[in-house]
Amino acid sequence: NAGVTQTPKFQVLKTGQSMTLQCAQDMNHEYMSWYRQDPGMGLRLIHYSVGAGITDQGEVPNGYNVSRSTTEDFPLRLLSAAPSQTSVYFCASSTGSLYDTQYFGPGTRLTVL
Amino acid sequence: AQSVTQPDIHITVSEGASLELRCNYSYGATPYLFWYVQSPGQGLQLLLKYFSGDTLVQGIKGFEAEFKRSQSSFNLRKPSVHWSDAAEYFCAVGSGANNLFFGTGTRLTVIP
Repeated sequence: NAGVTQTPKFQVLKTGQSMTLQCAQDMNHEYMSWYRQDPGMGLRLIHYSVGAGITDQGEVPNGYNVSRSTTEDFPLRLLSAAPSQTSVYFCASSTGSLYDTQYFGPGTRLTVL
Repeated sequence: AQSVTQPDIHITVSEGASLELRCNYSYGATPYLFWYVQSPGQGLQLLLKYFSGDTLVQGIKGFEAEFKRSQSSFNLRKPSVHWSDAAEYFCAVGSGANNLFFGTGTRLTVIP
């Protein structure tokens, strides 16, 4: 099993550009989530999904969109990037909820100029 | 609202020494408590979690944590640290709703 994979590993954007961060898992997990990690702060939940076709907002959802068309994939979209979205983004999956053991991807480091 | 405090930003210990990482939380009811570890350039890995029951929880890699309701604490311990334990450690608290609040982390350096 590859576990949770994220692409790209690094990305530089200009303000106003859009992009999609990819996340995939091969563990047949129902629950998937996106976090951002900023210096001096803990991880903060952006969006989560409890299964295909179901998504909801976390603590810091503004500026991000998600969809879940399959169990395996949970992409995160930035429609118009802003410097405040410079961060490291982690995707995670678990069997049922964020209180089950979450398996994290290696992260995507995003810089918005 | 829940909050998590990890008062130590950086801790240095010698290999073979004991370790205790502090975590204090703010929440009215019994929280769900977690410790995660993050090695450089990697995602987080769950070390252990507490929901209810025995207040001393055993985790992976020889770690344990004790829930102390009276002190609102969930400190992480290891009796003998290995060089491979050098990493960043995060405490997290949840209420049962769909959110998990992470502390700011404690970076552990292990001296040979």
